[in-house]
Amino acid sequence: EPEVTQTPSHQVTQMGQEVILRCVPISNHLYFYWYRQILGQKVEFLVSFYNNEISEKSEIFDDQFSVERPDGSNFTLKIRSTKLEDSAMYFCASSEAEYQETQYFGPGTRLLVL
Amino acid sequence: SQQGEEDPQALSIQEGENATMNCSYKTSINNLQWYRQNSGRGLVHLILIRSNEREKHSGRLRVTLDTSKKSSSLLITASRAADTASYFCATDARVRNSGGSNYKLTFGKGTLLTVNP
Repeated sequence: EPEVTQTPSHQVTQMGQEVILRCVPISNHLYFYWYRQILGQKVEFLVSFYNNEISEKSEIFDDQFSVERPDGSNFTLKIRSTKLEDSAMYFCASSEAEYQETQYFGPGTRLLVL
Repeated sequence: SQQGEEDPQALSIQEGENATMNCSYKTSINNLQWYRQNSGRGLVHLILIRSNEREKHSGRLRVTLDTSKKSSSLLITASRAADTASYFCATDARVRNSGGSNYKLTFGKGTLLTVNP
């Protein structure tokens, strides 16, 4: 069964460093998302992406964050200058078509900023 | 903002028993969804109930929705050790963009279910 994959599974970085989290959505899906989950807290929406542009972003998704679909398969989240509070599990998700409410999530990347 | 809040925060039962988890939300919804998260893994979609539905079944899962009380419940019958996971409710809100519409999900904190063999 097709699934969303994410790399790396874990990343440790120093505060102020740039990180790129990678996702490969399900191949025929058109809508892509990033969510994050700080330890012990809720899963929070970050951004949705369609047709090579951001559809919506949350307050969390400030100028330090960016997303890109550099080719036909990858979807990336970049954090330009990481902060301690960026430490979280980051989930990528995709959905198939317009008005498709079900989202398919990847296993997540655990980011630790020291 | 739309938010799901589950209770209890943690639930421990014996294999074969039923597990009931509840979710409350604050504003009107399009749909309410339930997801499962096994430890260290991603979220898996379980079931979606629309705002005009009151009850829905899928295998051993039964979801109810009471829009007047802004609440939903997830019942897992005849639980198994493999059902051990965190369960989240999520409300969805449509996101509009130039090309179409999709949805963003707002999750609750989840219920940690432990099914003891």
